[in-house]
Amino acid sequence: EVHLVESGGGLIQPGGSLRISCAASGFTVSRTYMTWVRQAPGKGLEWVSVIYSGGSTYYADSVKGRFTISRDNSRNTLYLQMNSLRAEDTAVYYCATDLLTGYGGPANWGQGTLVTVSS
Amino acid sequence: SYELTQPSSVSVSPGQTARITCSGDILAKKFARWFQQKAGQAPVLVIYKDTERPSGIPERFSGSTSGTTVTLTISGAQVEDEADYYCYSAADNNLGVFGTGTKVTVL
Repeated sequence: EVHLVESGGGLIQPGGSLRISCAASGFTVSRTYMTWVRQAPGKGLEWVSVIYSGGSTYYADSVKGRFTISRDNSRNTLYLQMNSLRAEDTAVYYCATDLLTGYGGPANWGQGTLVTVSS
Repeated sequence: SYELTQPSSVSVSPGQTARITCSGDILAKKFARWFQQKAGQAPVLVIYKDTERPSGIPERFSGSTSGTTVTLTISGAQVEDEADYYCYSAADNNLGVFGTGTKVTVL
C-alpha cells in the first residue's frame, strides 16, 4: 500500500530556512514522479515543485531560487529545502506521487505538514 | 504563467446534477485532473486524463472536455459530495497548475 508521511513543519521566522520531509512506503521514491503542493490557510492548492525519476526538477516561479526538491534513495524520502522564507510561504505542504494513473501528475497524497512563517 | 479558471461556487440539491467547469488555454493540448478536497483533509483524485475515473471513485463522477474547457459532472449529487473541487494540468515546461477552486454545496 502506498503511504506518504510529511514531517518537519513548524514555526520559522521570515528569512529563515526549513527542510521538510516526505517518507514513502509501498514504493520506491527514486523510480517515480514526486511533487510538492501547498495550500495557504483558507486558500486554494498551489503547485510548488516536481522531481522526475530521471532526476529532473522544476519549480513554480514563486519559489524558484529559494526552494530545492531532492530525494534520499537510501531513506526512500523526498525533501523540500526552503530558504529565504516569507510570510506568504505559510501553508500546509503536501507531497504527492502517481501510482494510480501512470500519467505523471499528483494522485496519491500525504496528509501534509504545516509551515508557519512569522516573527 | 498559465491559469485555470473555475467558478467560485456551485450549489445543487441532493439527487440533482452539478457541473463544474475549468477553462484555460493549456487544456486544448494537455490532460486535466480533478481533485475533491473536504475540510481538513488532503485532496483526493476523482478524474484523470480528462475523463478517466480511478478505482473506488463512484460512477456519479464523470469528466468531459471541449476545446479549452474541461467539466466535472456529479450526477445525482449526494450530501457527502459537498467539498472543494480543483482542476489541475501541467504545461509543456513541466510546471503544474491548479484551478482556482470551486466550492460545491449540496442542500
